Amino acid sequence: SYVLTQPPSVSVDPGKTAYITCGGNNIGGKSVHWYQQKPGQAPVLVVNDDSDRPSGIPERYSGSNSGNTATLTIGRVEAGDEADYYCQVWQSSGDHSAVFGGGTKLTVL
Amino acid sequence: QVQLQESGPGLVKPSQTLSLTCTVSGASISTGGGYYWSWIRQQPGKGLEWMGYLYPSGSPYYNPSLKSRVTISLGPSSNQLSLGLRSVTAADTGVYFCARTEVAGTVYFDLWGRGTLVSVSS
Repeated sequence: SYVLTQPPSVSVDPGKTAYITCGGNNIGGKSVHWYQQKPGQAPVLVVNDDSDRPSGIPERYSGSNSGNTATLTIGRVEAGDEADYYCQVWQSSGDHSAVFGGGTKLTVL
Repeated sequence: QVQLQESGPGLVKPSQTLSLTCTVSGASISTGGGYYWSWIRQQPGKGLEWMGYLYPSGSPYYNPSLKSRVTISLGPSSNQLSLGLRSVTAADTGVYFCARTEVAGTVYFDLWGRGTLVSVSS
């Protein structure tokens, strides 16, 4: 089955830019979606279809996807951005299934 | 404002069936917007696992890794979605979420419930 690889953790200073990567074989050929999950809360969709932002998500959140890596970029990071972030794709060949990355813990220093 | 709320027993014995309900408010599951509806779980300290989805007027589709044990259906009441997971073990312990699902060339989950914790233990 398709595997998505994320770094377990990313740390960033407040006001700086955070980059969270999601690796997968030719992931650039798939649509990537990103979720934010704070402790004890449900995940929230922050980027869909590589780079679209749902209503209510700040412009500081953006996404890109090319080759074997998709990236979630969070600009001007705030303390409230500290959370786990998961990437997700739909595997449309073989066994069709939604596949999630293992998640990245974003720490705001 | 559309909201999803999961409910069900917090404790299930091994080998039994886990049964959960998701109640949707603020929109109709059957007629609202062409959405699918999914169940997703999160085992302790682990990531997210999609279990399957249902289109109200169609047949459910399950994660192949769980297909032999999972049932997703509408009901028992209107605007509710149900999950059944048979022959549970301790590995099925976790938080179970229902989620509104967009299916349009790709699949993603644009609205989630808060989740309900289920423990499998004798």
